[in-house]
Amino acid sequence: DGGITQSPKYLFRKEGQNVTLSCEQNLNHDAMYWYRQDPGQGLRLIYYSQIVNDFQKGDIAEGYSVSREKKESFPLTVTSAQKNPTAFYLCASSTYSGVGETQYFGPGTRLLVL
Amino acid sequence: AQSVTQPDIHITVSEGASLELRCNYSYGATPYLFWYVQSPGQGLQLLLKYFSGDTLVQGIKGFEAEFKRSQSSFNLRKPSVHWSDAAEYFCAVGAPGGGNKLTFGTGTQLKVEL
Repeated sequence: DGGITQSPKYLFRKEGQNVTLSCEQNLNHDAMYWYRQDPGQGLRLIYYSQIVNDFQKGDIAEGYSVSREKKESFPLTVTSAQKNPTAFYLCASSTYSGVGETQYFGPGTRLLVL
Repeated sequence: AQSVTQPDIHITVSEGASLELRCNYSYGATPYLFWYVQSPGQGLQLLLKYFSGDTLVQGIKGFEAEFKRSQSSFNLRKPSVHWSDAAEYFCAVGAPGGGNKLTFGTGTQLKVEL
C-alpha cells in the first residue's frame, strides 16, 4: 500500500540530546513537509522540501534541522537548541509543491522530554 | 499573510443532528481552502478543498462546504452526523504564489452524543 510512514510513534528526549524523527513515503511525491502540532494551536510548518537536496524554512524552523538526500525520505532532527520540543510532529507530502496540491499526512510522532 | 480563524474550540451535537463548523479566513484575494479531519493520535485526512468555480464543494464522508467571499468564510456542513464523525476538524488556507504552504486554524473538536 502507498502511504507515509513515521517512526517511532513515541520518542523520548533527554536534556541536551538531539533526536531524529523519520518520515518515509512511497507515493513518489516530490514535495514533503514537517509540521508541529500543539494543543489549541493547530499545525505550524517547520520545514518543507520541494525537491531532493533542497529545503526551505517554515514558520518555526529554529531548533530544528532536516535533510532531503532521497526522494522518499525527509528526516527531522530536533536539536538541543529547541527548548520546548514536546509536541506531536506530523510529516506530509504532495505530488508537487504547487499551490493547492493535496498534502497527505503520516500518522505522527509524539515527542516527550524526560 | 493569510490567517484562519475557527471560532469554536469545542462543539457537541447529537447523532443524527446537522452540523456546521465555522471557518473564517483573512486574505486579500481568493485563497485555496481546505478542510481536514484528525482522529485522536492520528494524522490528518483531507475532507474537501476549494479552488474556484462552484462555491459549494462536496467532500468525502458526506461533508460539504460553502465558500462565501462576502463573509470570508468556508463553513463545513453535514446534514446528519454519525458517532464516527467525532474528531478534530481543521480548516486551512493556501495562498496563490505561496507554493503549497498551508496556514491552519486552531481546530474544532467535535463530540457526538448518542
